[in-house]
Amino acid sequence: DSGVTQTPKHLITATGQRVTLRCSPRSGDLSVYWYQQSLDQGLQFLIQYYNGEERAKGNILERFSAQQFPDLHSELNLSSLELGDSALYFCASSVGRATNEKLFFGSGTQLSVL
Amino acid sequence: DQQVKQNSPSLSVQEGRISILNCDYTNSMFDYFLWYKKYPAEGPTFLISISSIKDKNEDGRFTVFLNKSAKHLSLHIVPSQPGDSAVYFCAASGRSGGSNYKLTFGKGTLLTVNP
Repeated sequence: DSGVTQTPKHLITATGQRVTLRCSPRSGDLSVYWYQQSLDQGLQFLIQYYNGEERAKGNILERFSAQQFPDLHSELNLSSLELGDSALYFCASSVGRATNEKLFFGSGTQLSVL
Repeated sequence: DQQVKQNSPSLSVQEGRISILNCDYTNSMFDYFLWYKKYPAEGPTFLISISSIKDKNEDGRFTVFLNKSAKHLSLHIVPSQPGDSAVYFCAASGRSGGSNYKLTFGKGTLLTVNP
């Protein structure tokens, strides 16, 4: 158990809809990262938050947004969903803000857009 | 643009033998490299890392080698065990604009260790 909790584990929705993925980092970790894993793709970095503020941005679509709350949990919002958004979404956390640190990953949310 | 490449989608070895997983990178700004292991239905877990100031790092059965001139790293598992069967991700970190570091992953290699 990595200590990172992601909910829900599975999500099935339709095109055009909006969903929210939730992540609780390990106790004491201030950074939260979101990654997307599609078929035949590696882990694509989406975004990082450190202590409530956006720290780094990757290949995140404009239809996607995220935030980190004062209690350090994070939410990833995906809107106007398309079939191609179907993927496994991972949250990870680390103590500091530099990404050359060991990340602890949650078990992921499997999103299926039908 | 795939900056971290794992060209072998899969690898099969016999129990007790050596497993060698390879990774190539293109970005010369990468200065820290990590390997993660992923079992089905679980998130990736950190395995071993190496800084660009070193060329080898060892942790038990796992050794990572870094060849900076070739922009290549490899993970050696000796001896391989059936429990090592998993997807292995290579990852690299370095400056990516300003002072921000970004961890970039390869697509992974599925290792199967046969009893």
